[in-house]
Amino acid sequence: NAGVTQTPKFQVLKTGQSMTLQCAQDMNHEYMSWYRQDPGMGLRLIHYSVGAGITDQGEVPNGYNVSRSTTEDFPLRLLSAAPSQTSVYFCASRGYRGLTIYFGEGSWLTVV
Amino acid sequence: AQTVTQSQPEMSVQEAETVTLSCTYDTSENNYYLFWYKQPPSRQMILVIRQEAYKQQNATENRFSVNFQKAAKSFSLKISDSQLGDTAMYFCAFQTQGGSEKLVFGKGTKLTVNP
Repeated sequence: NAGVTQTPKFQVLKTGQSMTLQCAQDMNHEYMSWYRQDPGMGLRLIHYSVGAGITDQGEVPNGYNVSRSTTEDFPLRLLSAAPSQTSVYFCASRGYRGLTIYFGEGSWLTVV
Repeated sequence: AQTVTQSQPEMSVQEAETVTLSCTYDTSENNYYLFWYKQPPSRQMILVIRQEAYKQQNATENRFSVNFQKAAKSFSLKISDSQLGDTAMYFCAFQTQGGSEKLVFGKGTKLTVNP
């Protein structure tokens, strides 16, 4: 049971480039979400999904795009990377009746 | 909007002693969940303990316990018999009941356990 798996773990991008952070979970969880963590801050919600085909915006959605075509996968797309998107990104999931939110190990993204 | 405040940016404690981390929150909701997450240097987010607001009994997990004061909107974490492995950032988080996925986090408290 791998839990929540994020790839890549480290990435350096140039301003204006696009990329996708991958997130997969093998727990058949309905809810999945993406957070970012900046220095001196707690995690802030970017986008979330309550099931396949359903997504919604969180607190800081600008510059990011998501889709949920399967229960297992919830990729986060940066359409045109900016230095302000340098951060650590966490994917998370939980089951419909579960209280515990499981986090991936994080993806370190640097935009230069 | 809900907010979570951790007023202690950094704390330190001697090994084997007890330390309490503070957390206050603001909400107009009556039903919600509160969490403490530990983030060691590896950056992995690890759930330490959770509390359902409708439960009056304070949650306990081994050496970790909370003091939940609903009227005061306070949710402190007590770590007993501190161990070197407890050194980490600790985040308090709030979640409304009813399927909302938004966890609102405080800014964290950096705890150092000294030998």
